[in-house]
Amino acid sequence: DQQVKQNSPSLSVQEGRISILNCDYTNSMFDYFLWYKKYPAEGPTFLISISSIKDKNEDGRFTVFLNKSAKHLSLHIVPSQPGDSAVYFCAASRQGGSEKLVFGKGTKLTVNP
Amino acid sequence: SQTIHQWPATLVQPVGSPLSLECTVEGTSNPNLYWYRQAAGRGLQLLFYSVGIGQISSEVPQNLSASRPQDRQFILSSKKLLLSDSGFYLCAWTFNTEAFFGQGTRLTVV
Repeated sequence: DQQVKQNSPSLSVQEGRISILNCDYTNSMFDYFLWYKKYPAEGPTFLISISSIKDKNEDGRFTVFLNKSAKHLSLHIVPSQPGDSAVYFCAASRQGGSEKLVFGKGTKLTVNP
Repeated sequence: SQTIHQWPATLVQPVGSPLSLECTVEGTSNPNLYWYRQAAGRGLQLLFYSVGIGQISSEVPQNLSASRPQDRQFILSSKKLLLSDSGFYLCAWTFNTEAFFGQGTRLTVV
């Protein structure tokens, strides 16, 4: 049972354009959502998070949007840079992050110069 | 500051051999600890998580086991490796809303 779904395994974007990575979840008890970025042969690094009491959180070029009624969140990267090329994982948890993280399968983003 | 150490970085083991991957955490106490695996072409799969010493929850039936002998030490083991155990293994810990990952171990079972 895939509780966190990233339906696009890959995404290719031109440098300078917007990258939009999508994530859907099925468990309505999730109240904290995170995005991680992962380069090959390295551990994921935390990118940005959002609590269910918000619908938007912004940090520099990265913005996460949460639509609770649709159980959907998205990560926007504007403008995209070649160094953003990586696999992006969406993760969710209950109780403000104190419970285990459930990850999606990831989306590989390629930003072309 | 909080850090997480995971070793070794790479490992090549024959089928049927034992496995021991170790993870230690610094700069925090009583963290939630996790072992994840990323198999080739697949996402991160939670294998085990622990909320305290000696407390281990297994997420999927498998050939692996985990132990937490000390508060900040988490060990992933196997008595006999299978080819399907190959993958990239990640240790992680969470505290409140933060989650931190080790650098991972690339395990190749031959």
